[in-house]
Amino acid sequence: DAKTTQPPSMDCAEGRAANLPCNHSTISGNEYVYWYRQIHSQGPQYIIHGLKNNETNEMASLIITEDRKSSTLILPHAPLRDTAVYYCIVRVVAGTASKLTFGTGTRLQVTL
Amino acid sequence: NAGVTQTPKFRVLKTGQSMTLLCAQDMNHEYMYWYRQDPGMGLRLIHYSVGEGTTAKGEVPDGYNVSRLKKQNFLLGLESAAPSQTSVYFCASNLLPTDTQYFGPGTRLTVL
Repeated sequence: DAKTTQPPSMDCAEGRAANLPCNHSTISGNEYVYWYRQIHSQGPQYIIHGLKNNETNEMASLIITEDRKSSTLILPHAPLRDTAVYYCIVRVVAGTASKLTFGTGTRLQVTL
Repeated sequence: NAGVTQTPKFRVLKTGQSMTLLCAQDMNHEYMYWYRQDPGMGLRLIHYSVGEGTTAKGEVPDGYNVSRLKKQNFLLGLESAAPSQTSVYFCASNLLPTDTQYFGPGTRLTVL
């Protein structure tokens, strides 16, 4: 299983872009990079995922390097409510179920 | 749609007592999962199910049993609770193994 490495915490000013890095140097060619977040001990919430191309949705953008060994989640104009723990996950398929292996994530604090 | 719901939200048990946590989803999802999250850590997979009547072990299955008698419900049982099982338990589901997992709000369990 590919492991991920994230900084334990980051700060971001409200309204500015938050760039959250993730290293996954042992990722396999058929493994996707997923991002989830967890706000104040609620259930994790899906943000975005990608294989090798950059992706964007209404919540965020995902930039994956050409060698796929790292990625960056970009939260544009982060509001205070984006304060959460952000998990970078490489999806592992075991049998016919897709297991998500969570690390400790990055605690993002959006401040005034 | 209610999505993924969990019952109960909170519970306190004494060592040796038993209980069952209920997860229900109304999205007609085939796959369901039980995770636990200890303080300051990421989620760890306990058991999962790839369809009605089937279950499989995850990363930390010891001390837990599960059943999937109905497609919409996934039950997690503790036969003899131990203090080490004090945790927050999350249920998740998805339609296909490659899909996003949708999480419930969690059950906070304390074993004294």
